[in-house]
This record gives sequence, structure tokens and C-alpha cells, in this order.
Amino acid sequence: GAVVSQHPSRVICKSGTSVKIECRSLDFQATTMFWYRQFPKQSLMLMATSNEGSKATYEQGVEKDKFLINHASLTLSTLTVTSAHPEDSSFYICSANPLAGGEETQYFGPGTRLLVL
Amino acid sequence: GENVEQHPSTLSVQEGDSAVIKCTYSDSASNYFPWYKQELGKRPQLIIDIRSNVGEKKDQRIAVTLNKTAKHFSLHITETQPEDSAVYFCAASKNNQGGKLIFGQGTELSVKP
Repeated sequence: GAVVSQHPSRVICKSGTSVKIECRSLDFQATTMFWYRQFPKQSLMLMATSNEGSKATYEQGVEKDKFLINHASLTLSTLTVTSAHPEDSSFYICSANPLAGGEETQYFGPGTRLLVL
Repeated sequence: GENVEQHPSTLSVQEGDSAVIKCTYSDSASNYFPWYKQELGKRPQLIIDIRSNVGEKKDQRIAVTLNKTAKHFSLHITETQPEDSAVYFCAASKNNQGGKLIFGQGTELSVKP
């Protein structure tokens, strides 16, 4: 149980375009999901907390107008990178934990590798 | 905000030896400390975690110790095997943040056969 999927797994786009990444909890519901970004040979940096039915909470230094987050249901959060530029190229990973039982364990999606040309 | 420091950044051991990775955290309110293993291009996989009401936890070859007073926790891997080679991340979180994890910088472990 506790499976998180992401789509797409890999995307290449031109500079200036927007890219949408989906994060789904397949066998559990989650009011909260998290979006991380990981540059090569670096750690996972939390970008934002996605809250079902309300606005996302962004970490300091993360532009909310550039990284749009929508958490429309208890199993789906989307991250849209708007007007992507080469410096946005990175590995984007989401995570979620099941609602029930106050479980703290975070389950990660497989990640989306974004390359902006 | 919370800060997690992890050392060393790289660690090379011979197969069969033990490996120890250490982390310190800044926020004394942190109460959950997971360790993740990440292979190249893959998602982080939880390998062990510990909560603040416990000082040590063991799962086969892997153990984690927590010193709340000093605000540090360590990962111990015994009888290392080549398949243990990966990047390991420690993390910390607080209950009232709904699972938000702050990660350490990572340790690249290489186990030489």
C-alpha cells in the first residue's frame, strides 16, 4: 500500500513554455502533499506544501506565481512550472502521507525529470 | 526555520565494514527523524525512522540512534554490502507541520567489494 505516482516521468520543453506535473496517491487519501526539487548531486529542497481545497504554502524563496500548485482532490496535486527557463531544469518529486492514523511516514513519487531547452 | 546538517558528504567502506552517518538538527520541537536511501534517478526510499520518545531503533543491519539533548541522530549500517551503495538522506519534521520534511545534504556511500 501507500503508492504515489507522478506523471510525466520525464519532460523536455522549450524555454518560455509551461509544464504541468501530476502527483497522485493511488491507494490512500491525502489532505497534504509536498513538492520537492532536487538538482544533480544535491539534496531534496522543499518547495511548497499543497493543501487540498486551499492555497498552497510556499517555502521562502520559491515564487508562487511561477510554480502554481493545485490540490483539487484528496488524491491529486498538480505543479505547473510557468514560463520555464533552463535554470528550472531539475528533478521534481512529490510526497504524501495517508490521512488515517496520524501516520508521519512520507511516501514519495518516482519523480519527474524536467529539461528546459 | 529548521536546519539539518549531515556528515560526511561521501563515505567509502570495504564490504563487511560498518558505516555511520551523522545528522544534527536545529529545532528542538522536531520529533520525527526518518532516513531515506536514494539510488541514482530514483525516488527516496524510507529505510528506518525514529521518533523522539525513543533513543534507538534497529532493523536487521540498520540502526538509528537519537540524542535529543544534543539534537543529533545517526544511522548505522553493519556488514555493508555493495548493494548498500547509494545516497542516504536524513530528515526531520514536527507533528504540527503535517509531515513536512527538512532534509540533510546527503551522504554518498560507496561499498567496495
